[in-house]
Amino acid sequence: GAGVSQSPRYKVAKRGQDVALRCDPISGHVSLFWYQQALGQGPEFLTYFQNEAQLDKSGLPSDRFFAERPEGSVSTLKIQRTQQEDSAVYLCASSPLAGGRTDTQYFGPGTRLTVL
Amino acid sequence: GENVEQHPSTLSVQEGDSAVIKCTYSDSASNYFPWYKQELGKRPQLIIDIRSNVGEKKDQRIAVTLNKTAKHFSLHITETQPEDSAVYFCAASIRGSQGNLIFGKGTKLSVKP
Repeated sequence: GAGVSQSPRYKVAKRGQDVALRCDPISGHVSLFWYQQALGQGPEFLTYFQNEAQLDKSGLPSDRFFAERPEGSVSTLKIQRTQQEDSAVYLCASSPLAGGRTDTQYFGPGTRLTVL
Repeated sequence: GENVEQHPSTLSVQEGDSAVIKCTYSDSASNYFPWYKQELGKRPQLIIDIRSNVGEKKDQRIAVTLNKTAKHFSLHITETQPEDSAVYFCAASIRGSQGNLIFGKGTKLSVKP
């Protein structure tokens, strides 16, 4: 079946612009995660959804970052007033089970954000 | 919070040799340890994982070992092939949490033909 998809794959923004990154998880997956991957680094956790509920946003680096998953499927990560330090690959991952049970996470291809 | 250290950061081997990548973690509550392979510009792909109730798991040329006492786990790739060249990440997840993964910084493996 279809895997996790993300769009756009590449985004160039001028400093100060707002951006919206989309994630389509695997159908039926309960859990959805967003990670930020800086160049040459491992992914770092941003936020977690169980269905439509955002249960953990402790990894969001500032209040300029906002995520939602209103119907428990597609998720959007929004970054307001982008800064150069926001340049990174933003990865989305989904897993079939609810939180509290560790399970395989399936990653999307990521969105590479470049802020000029 | 949990911290995962990964070594080495780069590893170069000849085709057919074995490769070993090691990770340590800090939180004894961690109970799930996946390994991901990421080719340049591609998504991380799970290659093998292990849970804290077993000490070793093998899948063809790939194996993972876990030492809970020492809080370290290792990836072993035997009979390496050029297509094994990629960046490998270890990760840990804490029992009872929602399952978010804490990743190491990655190991760039180069397999020379």
